[in-house]
Amino acid sequence: EVQLVESGGGLIQPGGSLRLSCAASGFTVSSNYMSWVRQAPGKGLEWVSVIYSGGSTYYADSVKGRFTISRDNSKNTLYLQMNSLRAEDTAVYYCARNGYSYGRSYWYFDLWGRGTLVTVSS
Amino acid sequence: EIVLTQSPGTLSLSPGERATLSCRASQSVSSSYLAWYQQKPGQAPRLLIYGASSRATGIPDRVSGSGSGTDFTLTISRLEPEDFAVYYCQQYGSSPLTFGGGTKVEIK
Repeated sequence: EVQLVESGGGLIQPGGSLRLSCAASGFTVSSNYMSWVRQAPGKGLEWVSVIYSGGSTYYADSVKGRFTISRDNSKNTLYLQMNSLRAEDTAVYYCARNGYSYGRSYWYFDLWGRGTLVTVSS
Repeated sequence: EIVLTQSPGTLSLSPGERATLSCRASQSVSSSYLAWYQQKPGQAPRLLIYGASSRATGIPDRVSGSGSGTDFTLTISRLEPEDFAVYYCQQYGSSPLTFGGGTKVEIK
């Protein structure tokens, strides 16, 4: 079955660090563009970061310099290292696969995990 | 940054009725790179439409997308009980990619 399963969320104090994981099955993470998208409680969706199949990475301005996206090809797993966490980082974090059509990848998302909740609070 | 404005905020309709959702962009969306998602409470978003009008795998043909430039529309021709949810548009033609604020389709 093709799916994404996130883990690693929890309650963390402001200034702390957390690493999220996203285990993929049914396809190869390293062959796809993979992203993190977050949703604050009761709010809309916000793109966070993407890693290209070639390894290039990009970040939203709101997390640049604090978050790092990476992957472990041997484990077929995507990660998001989050440092210097702030209250405004509180959200459900979704792992998502970027869409692929007509021979190339795009920045829409055709497969999503169920998400993991990160709460930043003292 | 392209700002996407979705309207109405809430749409109250009955099963079997037609739903028309609007997504307006602050600038032209390059190459009609616009997607639509459905999200139900406690669930992840699900891709419905990409490229403004291409249905994703498994999406029924009662769901359709149209538009170009700055004005896009998602239409559900006959609402089924499972269609009551929140719908988001997203543009991916310009960096940073952005999402609209959502339209909630509720049972009247």
